[in-house]
Amino acid sequence: EVQLVESGGGLVKPGGSLRLSCEASGFPFSTYSMNWIRQAPGKGLEWVSSISTRSKYIYYADSVKGRFTISRDNAKNSLYLQMNSLGVEDTAIYYCAAQGDTPIPWGQGTLVTVSS
Amino acid sequence: DIQMTQSPSSLSASVGDRVTITCQASQDIRNYLNWFQQKPGKAPKLVIYDASHLQTGVPSRFSGSGSGTDFTFTISSLQSEDIATYYCQQFENLPLTFGGGTKVEI
Repeated sequence: EVQLVESGGGLVKPGGSLRLSCEASGFPFSTYSMNWIRQAPGKGLEWVSSISTRSKYIYYADSVKGRFTISRDNAKNSLYLQMNSLGVEDTAIYYCAAQGDTPIPWGQGTLVTVSS
Repeated sequence: DIQMTQSPSSLSASVGDRVTITCQASQDIRNYLNWFQQKPGKAPKLVIYDASHLQTGVPSRFSGSGSGTDFTFTISSLQSEDIATYYCQQFENLPLTFGGGTKVEI
């Protein structure tokens, strides 16, 4: 089954850190560029970060640059997002999304809540 | 960044109605456009990819058209289970950008 499963979300205090994971299955993960996209409560969709197939090209939204780090492990079919210096504005559901030859359904997302 | 202008932001229709949503890109995105359906509390679900291709398993009452800067998403006969918010998304360039969403109500 083609699937993306996010994990690692939770409640964290402002200034804290979290590491999100996304495990892929059912498709050739190493041939797909990967993205993190988030959705704040009651808001629209916001792109966060992208990584190319072999990690050569990495991009970040200005809102997270310098605080978030995207990475991937093709041997483990996994995508990661290390989030540091979290602020309340980072509260959102985080989705991973694959981009390649065949459309891949998004995962269910993982909720990150930043609150004191 | 490519801006995606989606309209209307909300609409109310009856079961069986034809529903049309438009999305305009601020520059040419060829056919690099997806349409998503999002129901409350659920993840966005891909409905149309590459502007006009129906995702596997999606009912044929959904369709998409357009290329370049102007795109249309249509539900030919609205069903109660289609109540959701719909988003367009361009993937011609990074950053990926989304329309503001259209909330479809009955």
